Amino acid sequence: SQTIHQWPATLVQPVGSPLSLECTVEGTSNPNLYWYRQAAGRGLQLLFYSVGIGQISSEVPQNLSASRPQDRQFILSSKKLLLSDSGFYLCAWSAGQGQQPQHFGDGTRLSIL
Amino acid sequence: AQSVTQPDIHITVSEGASLELRCNYSYGATPYLFWYVQSPGQGLQLLLKYFSGDTLVQGIKGFEAEFKRSQSSFNLRKPSVHWSDAAEYFCAVGPGGYNKLIFGAGTRLAVHP
Repeated sequence: SQTIHQWPATLVQPVGSPLSLECTVEGTSNPNLYWYRQAAGRGLQLLFYSVGIGQISSEVPQNLSASRPQDRQFILSSKKLLLSDSGFYLCAWSAGQGQQPQHFGDGTRLSIL
Repeated sequence: AQSVTQPDIHITVSEGASLELRCNYSYGATPYLFWYVQSPGQGLQLLLKYFSGDTLVQGIKGFEAEFKRSQSSFNLRKPSVHWSDAAEYFCAVGPGGYNKLIFGAGTRLAVHP
């Protein structure tokens, strides 16, 4: 069966520091991958999605970037964090072929001090 | 433009009572519809999905949802709520390209003993 892992689960970082959140998927190949941010008490905002290695699409302008160095690895990064980057970050995957639901990881709670 | 509206931000029900969470969508073609549940600090779990066919779909944890094209709705129901159902519920519509989803803002469910 397929599983998705995100780490770390919780992260506290100072303003201006770099960021790297990692997401990996097991049990499937060539998935579509997604990064979302969920601000407190709000819905999900799609940040990036990827349909293949090295293929990244950004949905909103922001201080963050994403990379997909391997088929089942998706990384969310920042060179300098802002206070507004605080939130709950969720990674998700879907099958690459056909119309399929997305499946989510457990998320990373990011607090910026 | 495609959108999803969940009119109720918070709902409180008594344990054992029936539940209906509302979802209305705006989508130019035949939508694919999803309900997800999120427990505090967790990722999203897929409850059920509608792609085509029978407009009443059964999901996990005793939930069901009915697709009504004439009302552009996909309401989630459960005949008898358990305390463990307290969580946030998200309705989503797709597919966008590459299985992208549009999420509603969520409905937070509280269950009184």
